[in-house]
Amino acid sequence: AQSVSQHNHHVILSEAASLELGCNYSYGGTVNLFWYVQYPGQHLQLLLKYFSGDPLVKGIKGFEAEFIKSKFSFNLRKPSVQWSDTAEYFCAVNARSNYQLIWGAGTKLIIKP
Amino acid sequence: ETGVTQSPTHLIKTRGQQVTLRCSSQSGHNTVSWYQQALGQGPQFIFQYYREEENGRGNFPPRFSGLQFPNYSSELNVNALELDDSALYLCASSSPLAGDGGGTQYFGPGTRLLVL
Repeated sequence: AQSVSQHNHHVILSEAASLELGCNYSYGGTVNLFWYVQYPGQHLQLLLKYFSGDPLVKGIKGFEAEFIKSKFSFNLRKPSVQWSDTAEYFCAVNARSNYQLIWGAGTKLIIKP
Repeated sequence: ETGVTQSPTHLIKTRGQQVTLRCSSQSGHNTVSWYQQALGQGPQFIFQYYREEENGRGNFPPRFSGLQFPNYSSELNVNALELDDSALYLCASSSPLAGDGGGTQYFGPGTRLLVL
């Protein structure tokens, strides 16, 4: 069965620090990969996605993620975080033939001003 | 372009009751997926509707059922509510006509259900 693992449930950083959130998935076929963000009091928003092509994808608000097929990973990165990045971040995967999204448990990111 | 909307925003029910949650898909989207998000967890797939037909189902019992209407809006019905059904219920819409094969889902704000 497909599964998604996010390595950190809680991350606390200071402003301007660099961020990397880990995401690994288990599925042997072709997948679509997503990072969604949920800001406090708001609904889930798409941060970035990978379907094909360049494995380094750029999203909104300066976020990027790299798909490493050999490691089944899709880690999220941001060189310098801001207080407004405080949110919960979810990694999700679906197989091309099945649009069901499989989700990680989420990472709560707190940025100290 | 109107985004995904859900109603109601909050709901309190007692064990054994039935509930209906509603979702309007984003303009141009004909696929609706429903997810359950328990506190502190990622969303769990309940089912998906495409052109008024169920197009996939997760590991949820038959008392979770759904409908999609000709305008692509959708309902989630839960019968015989249990305490563990307390969660945020999310609706997402997508379109297979999108260049990405329809894999991108756009979410509504959710309905928070509390079962007492």
